[in-house]
Amino acid sequence: GAGVSQSPRYKVAKRGQDVALRCDPISGHVSLFWYQQALGQGPEFLTYFQNEAQLDKSGLPSDRFFAERPEGSVSTLKIQRTQQEDSAVYLCASSPWADTDTQYFGPGTRLTVL
Amino acid sequence: GIQVEQSPPDLILQEGANSTLRCNFSDSVNNLQWFHQNPWGQLINLFYIPSGTKQNGRLSATTVATERYSLLYISSSQTTDSGVYFCAGGYSSASKIIFGSGTRLSIRP
Repeated sequence: GAGVSQSPRYKVAKRGQDVALRCDPISGHVSLFWYQQALGQGPEFLTYFQNEAQLDKSGLPSDRFFAERPEGSVSTLKIQRTQQEDSAVYLCASSPWADTDTQYFGPGTRLTVL
Repeated sequence: GIQVEQSPPDLILQEGANSTLRCNFSDSVNNLQWFHQNPWGQLINLFYIPSGTKQNGRLSATTVATERYSLLYISSSQTTDSGVYFCAGGYSSASKIIFGSGTRLSIRP
């Protein structure tokens, strides 16, 4: 079946622009995670949804970052007034249950802020 | 919070060699996973292994939870094994996981 998909795969933004990154999890997956991966580093947790409920947003670096999953499937990560330090790969992962083990990752969106 | 330390940071091997990658945790974790990130950036889950030993083909992993470390073994390496290997841990199955900085493995033909 289809895996986790993300769009766009690449995004170039001018500093100060708003961007929206989309994640389509595997159909039926309850849990959805967003991570940020800087060059040469491991992914860092941003936020976690269980269905439409955002249960943990402790990793969001500032109030410019906002995530939603209104119908419990597709999720959008929005970054307002982008800064150069926001340049990174943004990864989305989903897992089947609330108490599951394995996280399945999408290919990521590479954001470059000029 | 949980600190995750991986070693070695880089490893270069000839095809056919065996390797052992290590992951140390600063705290006890109930959710421990190993991932492979291929050269195109795709993260693939290899093992969910909060304790014990698992094997999948040429790969196996062992976690000693009481001593807060995990090992990933790769036998008879192939060039397709190249990439970055990450371990990650969390306090529960339904929570965030904290990634280490990875081991970059290069397999030469």
